Amino acid sequence: KAGVTQTPRYLIKTRGQQVTLSCSPISGHRSVSWYQQTPGQGLQFLFEYFSETQRNKGNFPGRFSGRQFSNSRSEMNVSTLELGDSALYLCASSLEIEQFFGPGTRLTVL
Amino acid sequence: QQQVKQSPQSLIVQKGGISIINCAYENTAFDYFPWYQQFPGKGPALLIAIRPDVSEKKEGRFTISFNKSAKQFSLHIMDSQPGDSATYFCAASRIQAGTALIFGKGTTLSVSS
Repeated sequence: KAGVTQTPRYLIKTRGQQVTLSCSPISGHRSVSWYQQTPGQGLQFLFEYFSETQRNKGNFPGRFSGRQFSNSRSEMNVSTLELGDSALYLCASSLEIEQFFGPGTRLTVL
Repeated sequence: QQQVKQSPQSLIVQKGGISIINCAYENTAFDYFPWYQQFPGKGPALLIAIRPDVSEKKEGRFTISFNKSAKQFSLHIMDSQPGDSATYFCAASRIQAGTALIFGKGTTLSVSS
């Protein structure tokens, strides 16, 4: 079974721009969660989608949003990018409890 | 407010030794405790997980010990190998609240040969 895939793997943006990241979960997994990883704050939960509905949300500003499609693929969007948004964005898919992570998208904001 | 505290921040162990990483949590509603291993440039990989109804779980060289009354759990890596050198994260979640994992800050393990 293929693992979680994320595209693109690397992105460079400038402040004020917006960005969209994509995640394809493991086949059959209906839950997709997004996390932000930074050296200072570590791994922080952004939001979770299940059957196209946001089921859970972390403590991030409204500039961070997401959605899930009927095939369980998910996208997250960050608008009005700030320097502090530079991070590794990780997607995880799950069937029940266990979460399996993708390789992440490295976002650099200049 | 850090809900999961992990220690030590870094750890150096000799090849063949035992690596021990500790985590403490605050929220007694947590009922799922996984450990993840992350190599540079990769996403975290699930190593082993435990529920609070058992005090220990072993998978190969990896063992989780769980102390519900102390709200602590730890990862033991037996016969540590240079290939185990990575960053390890503990996490906790409430299963009923969905899959949102609260992570510790991570421990960088170096196994010297």
